[in-house]
Amino acid sequence: GAGVSQSPSNKVTEKGKDVELRCDPISGHTALYWYRQSLGQGLEFLIYFQGNSAPDKSGLPSDRFSAERTGGSVSTLTIQRTQQEDSAVYLCASSPTGTGGEQYFGPGTRLTVT
Amino acid sequence: AQSVTQPDIHITVSEGASLELRCNYSYGATPYLFWYVQSPGQGLQLLLKYFSGDTLVQGIKGFEAEFKRSQSSFNLRKPSVHWSDAAEYFCAVGPFSGGYNKLIFGAGTRLAVHP
Repeated sequence: GAGVSQSPSNKVTEKGKDVELRCDPISGHTALYWYRQSLGQGLEFLIYFQGNSAPDKSGLPSDRFSAERTGGSVSTLTIQRTQQEDSAVYLCASSPTGTGGEQYFGPGTRLTVT
Repeated sequence: AQSVTQPDIHITVSEGASLELRCNYSYGATPYLFWYVQSPGQGLQLLLKYFSGDTLVQGIKGFEAEFKRSQSSFNLRKPSVHWSDAAEYFCAVGPFSGGYNKLIFGAGTRLAVHP
């Protein structure tokens, strides 16, 4: 079946612009996660959704970062006023409930801020 | 604080040789443990996981891992490496609390395979 999809696969933006990254989880998966993978910091948890609510936003690095999820499905991660340190690969993962937390990852969006 | 250490940043092995990738974790309770693999330009694929029970777990692609509580380790092994195993490998740990699992990843080990 279809896996987690993310769009765009690559995004180049100028410093100070806003960007939106999209994640389509596996159908029926209620849990959705965003992670960031960067050279200096490795893989970092950003935010977790259960349905449309986000009980854990503890990994969002600043208030320029926000995320939402609608219809218990698609999620959008928004970065406002991008900075060069935001350059990274943003990974989305989804998980069905009751499986002990096994997460299925998408291919990621590579964000480059120039 | 919870953390995962993968001591080897880069490992090179010959095709057909055995492989062991090390993972040590720091966690206050029995963790949920995972190994993921990432091929260039790809997302993370789960190789195997440990939740409880038998400490030797089998995964996909011929990989296995052993949970050793006394050593806080979860090393990944494969008896005979194939060229297609060249990739980056990540060990991860997390609780499973309230229905979700906030994974903490190690820095990764990049595996190169010589023909």
